[in-house]
Amino acid sequence: NAGVTQTPKFRILKIGQSMTLQCTQDMNHNYMYWYRQDPGMGLKLIYYSVGAGITDKGEVPNGYNVSRSTTEDFPLRLELAAPSQTSVYFCASSTAPDSNQPQHFGDGTRLSIL
Amino acid sequence: QKEVEQDPGPLSVPEGAIVSLNCTYSNSAFQYFMWYRQYSRKGPELLMYTYSSGNKEDGRFTAQVDKSSKYISLFIRDSQPSDSATYLCAMTRVRGYNKLIFGAGTRLAVHP
Repeated sequence: NAGVTQTPKFRILKIGQSMTLQCTQDMNHNYMYWYRQDPGMGLKLIYYSVGAGITDKGEVPNGYNVSRSTTEDFPLRLELAAPSQTSVYFCASSTAPDSNQPQHFGDGTRLSIL
Repeated sequence: QKEVEQDPGPLSVPEGAIVSLNCTYSNSAFQYFMWYRQYSRKGPELLMYTYSSGNKEDGRFTAQVDKSSKYISLFIRDSQPSDSATYLCAMTRVRGYNKLIFGAGTRLAVHP
């Protein structure tokens, strides 16, 4: 039972490089989310999606882009990496948008921008 | 000032102790409150969910909400080494996940 799978687990980027963080879920969840977690700051929502083809901005979307072409996949793209984007990124999914339904999180991608 | 404040710890307790974890918040409109547990190098998992004020119990865990004081707590009875993790509080004024505000997390270590 895979759940939410994120790749890669670790990555080091140079300033100005681009990369895509991959997220896939096998639970047929319509709702998917991208968060970043910085030390001492808690999780902050970057983007979310309510279904294939529909995405919306969260609290901290600047510098990121997303797409949702299938129910299973929700990649996060960094176009011009900046040191401020050094963080741990978590993808999550849920059956419904209501906060009483549990979100299922992946194990995260640890990204360093140097 | 952050909307949600949580002492980062670390909190170190002996096995069997009662643990109290707390968060304070400033937005009186928050009415949905959650506690997540996050093991090292893993994603968070939902532990407790509470709507409005009151207590909720699930096994060794009790979540408490005091909206008049803008204060929420998570109590862990008979703590075990397997409870060693970071505990994150989260809250929102509406039911949707897209407005969820997280605390920074408290690191808990339960030693045998």
